Amino acid sequence: GEDVEQSLFLSVREGDSSVINCTYTDSSSTYLYWYKQEPGAGLQLLTYIFSNMDMKQDQRLTVLLNKKDKHLSLRIADTQTGDSAIYFCAETPSGGYNKLIFGAGTRLAVHP
Amino acid sequence: DAMVIQNPRYQVTQFGKPVTLSCSQTLNHNVMYWYQQKSSQAPKLLFHYYDKDFNNEADTPDNFQSRRPNTSFCFLDIRSPGLGDAAMYLCATSPSGGAGANVLTFGAGSRLTVL
Repeated sequence: GEDVEQSLFLSVREGDSSVINCTYTDSSSTYLYWYKQEPGAGLQLLTYIFSNMDMKQDQRLTVLLNKKDKHLSLRIADTQTGDSAIYFCAETPSGGYNKLIFGAGTRLAVHP
Repeated sequence: DAMVIQNPRYQVTQFGKPVTLSCSQTLNHNVMYWYQQKSSQAPKLLFHYYDKDFNNEADTPDNFQSRRPNTSFCFLDIRSPGLGDAAMYLCATSPSGGAGANVLTFGAGSRLTVL
């Protein structure tokens, strides 16, 4: 079945790096995504990675994919207070191009 | 700016009183989705339209219906809301299928309260 799991909460100090982790069960997933949700807003795409890649970097964001362990991570360098939000991992399951299956989200709190 | 607009942002209804939430898009995307998001839970896909083709998720209750009269608009109808239907309802759109990533654009959501 399809299942995406994340830890629910992460607290970091401003300026430190944040690492948000995600595990998924569908080994045939073609793409994996990170979305961000700020209070009172919808989800906003941050980045995505194709399943045949193991790393993708985009400015302060680094995505690592370990396909063997079905583990995805998002690293945010130099975390700022504006990065405080809920971060959702998502996958496109096999045979379900038009679907995204989301994890429950990790709430990132950035403190001075 | 091209976007996805949901109305109303906040909806309060009474137990059993029908509710309609609306979603409009200026992106001209073929696919429109409705997700239900409860507090501290994953957004759960209720159904989606690929053009006029309606795709219901197997575990979506019959109490939830949808209409898509044209490319730009999609509605979520909750026929008899129960207390358990209180949630944020998210509309999203995406271009039609292809070899690339399926990037969804979300609206800001409609928060439903059931009294």
